[in-house]
Amino acid sequence: DTAVSQTPKYLVTQMGNDKSIKCEQNLGHDTMYWYKQDSKKFLKIMFSYNNKELIINETVPNRFSPKSPDKAHLNLHINSLELGDSAVYFCASSLRLAEETQYFGPGTRLLVL
Amino acid sequence: KQEVTQIPAALSVPEGENLVLNCSFTDSAIYNLQWFRQDPGKGLTSLLLIQSSQREQTSGRLNASLDKSSGRSTLYIAASQPGDSATYLCAVHAGANNLFFGTGTRLTVIP
Repeated sequence: DTAVSQTPKYLVTQMGNDKSIKCEQNLGHDTMYWYKQDSKKFLKIMFSYNNKELIINETVPNRFSPKSPDKAHLNLHINSLELGDSAVYFCASSLRLAEETQYFGPGTRLLVL
Repeated sequence: KQEVTQIPAALSVPEGENLVLNCSFTDSAIYNLQWFRQDPGKGLTSLLLIQSSQREQTSGRLNASLDKSSGRSTLYIAASQPGDSATYLCAVHAGANNLFFGTGTRLTVIP
């Protein structure tokens, strides 16, 4: 029933590790996104992905890479995790680019020790 | 660069009151503006989406307005209830598929 789902819900890991967060949407949407919410609750877009076109926010380190096996999935891979990567990561989707309502997943709380 | 500001940062009202949350943005070249609700430890729930060509949208007790020329939007909540307590975020959709979020208004409705 869940429109946008993410796994895991919580992720605790050591610095230097590589981890992935999975996102799936069952809404039939064409566009998916990843956002980072920092400790001050400020949300920033990291990536948007539409029809195999990836738009990257220029401030995102290249240790972060989204991977889309199909239209319904956009996974986030993070290499060489750093303390500053600790945040809540939200996946979202929309029917098309720009004009449509975005629907958000429940978030993945990442803690890097 | 688009900047989105929300005032106040926190608001407490007694149950039953009507209230207004404010959102301002610096660049009027937007596709749309969206209001979200975020409950503690939870994801975001979309409340209302206003296209750049629209002036307002209504859903139940919620009414959102948009004045693109002045860079402002308001979210009006009528007859507030304790269940309305949450953080309310506005987000502006502007160029290169970017959604710019404000820092939110934390609303507490006191029974």
